[in-house]
Amino acid sequence: NAGVTQTPKFQVLKTGQSMTLQCAQDMNHEYMSWYRQDPGMGLRLIHYSVGAGITDQGEVPNGYNVSRSTTEDFPLRLLSAAPSQTSVYFCASSRGLAGGLGEDEQFFGPGTRLTVL
Amino acid sequence: ILNVEQSPQSLHVQEGDSTNFTCSFPSSNFYALHWYRWETAKSPEALFVMTLNGDEKKKGRISATLNTKEGYSYLYIKGSQPEDSATYLCAFPGSYNTDKLIFGTGTRLQVFP
Repeated sequence: NAGVTQTPKFQVLKTGQSMTLQCAQDMNHEYMSWYRQDPGMGLRLIHYSVGAGITDQGEVPNGYNVSRSTTEDFPLRLLSAAPSQTSVYFCASSRGLAGGLGEDEQFFGPGTRLTVL
Repeated sequence: ILNVEQSPQSLHVQEGDSTNFTCSFPSSNFYALHWYRWETAKSPEALFVMTLNGDEKKKGRISATLNTKEGYSYLYIKGSQPEDSATYLCAFPGSYNTDKLIFGTGTRLQVFP
């Protein structure tokens, strides 16, 4: 099992450009999520999905879109990149029991380091 | 808005010292608490998921306790080693029917040989 994979590992964008960060998992997990990590801020939830076709907003969703057409994939789209979106982005997945994910540990991908100039 | 607080923010100890740090969370509607270990340049990895008041979990030299009534969990490392150097995160999903895992800002541990 590859677990959770993310591409690219590094990306530099100019302000206003758009791009998609890819995330895939091969563990048949229902729950997937995107976090950003900024110094002193810890991990903040951007968007999450409890299953194919279902997505919802986290703490910091502005400027990002997601979709979940398959169980395996959960891409994160930056619509018009801004310097404030410079960060490290982590995708995570978990089994996700119906009604809540409290008991299920999250498995994290290796991260994507994004710089917006 | 859930508030998950960790203390201290950072900790420097000598090899062989034992150490502990705290995660505080809202005590109402408790369902579970997660602990993750995050080494520099790697991804967070789960250590424990704790669900029962009074629960104690152990993995090698690392253990954790949980007090849901007062809203805190302690993580202990016995005989710290340089390879224990990492940021330790706790995360709180709140009540049973929430789908959001909220992370604390972490305790950064450095163990000097």
